[in-house]
Amino acid sequence: KAGVTQTPRYLIKTRGQQVTLSCSPISGHRSVSWYQQTPGQGLQFLFEYFSETQRNKGNFPGRFSGRQFSNSRSEMNVSTLELGDSALYLCASSWGRARGTEAFFGQGTRLTVV
Amino acid sequence: QKEVEQNSGPLSVPEGAIASLNCTYSDRGSQSFFWYRQYSGKSPELIMFIYSNGDKEDGRFTAQLNKASQYVSLLIRDSQPSDSATYLCAVGVGAGGTSYGKLTFGQGTILTVHP
Repeated sequence: KAGVTQTPRYLIKTRGQQVTLSCSPISGHRSVSWYQQTPGQGLQFLFEYFSETQRNKGNFPGRFSGRQFSNSRSEMNVSTLELGDSALYLCASSWGRARGTEAFFGQGTRLTVV
Repeated sequence: QKEVEQNSGPLSVPEGAIASLNCTYSDRGSQSFFWYRQYSGKSPELIMFIYSNGDKEDGRFTAQLNKASQYVSLLIRDSQPSDSATYLCAVGVGAGGTSYGKLTFGQGTILTVHP
């Protein structure tokens, strides 16, 4: 069974640009969550999507947005990139219902903003 | 006070010993508890989850939960050098799917198992 797939694995962007990251969840999983991991702040929750609806959102500025498609694949977009956005971006998928909330992470996308 | 706190570490144990990792949480509404292992340069890997008070064992790993004390721990028996990693405690509020995907993570404990 395939795991969570994130693309691309690495990105280098310039300040002010925008970036889109992609996440394909485990087959059958309908919940996709996004996290930012930095050495100083650790793992921080960005938002969660279930059946194409954002159900939960963390404390990040509006430059961070996402969406989910009918096949449960999700994208995350960051506009007007800042140096502080350099981080490992992780997505995690789960069933999202009583069947189980155990979340499994993808390999992550390492974003560097220069 | 941080929402999820782990023993600061780093923790160093000899091969074959028991490693004990601890985590406390502040939100009494928390109902789902997870331990992830993260090797350097890799993404977190789920190794244990627990929802009810008591112990849950899986191979060399035992998760312990005490909701009254707001405390969750992970014991690793017969520690191996391959267990050397950062261990992350994560907490979800709400049962079943009601935590809406949000996990709150501790800062992690670095474990080193030396031969």
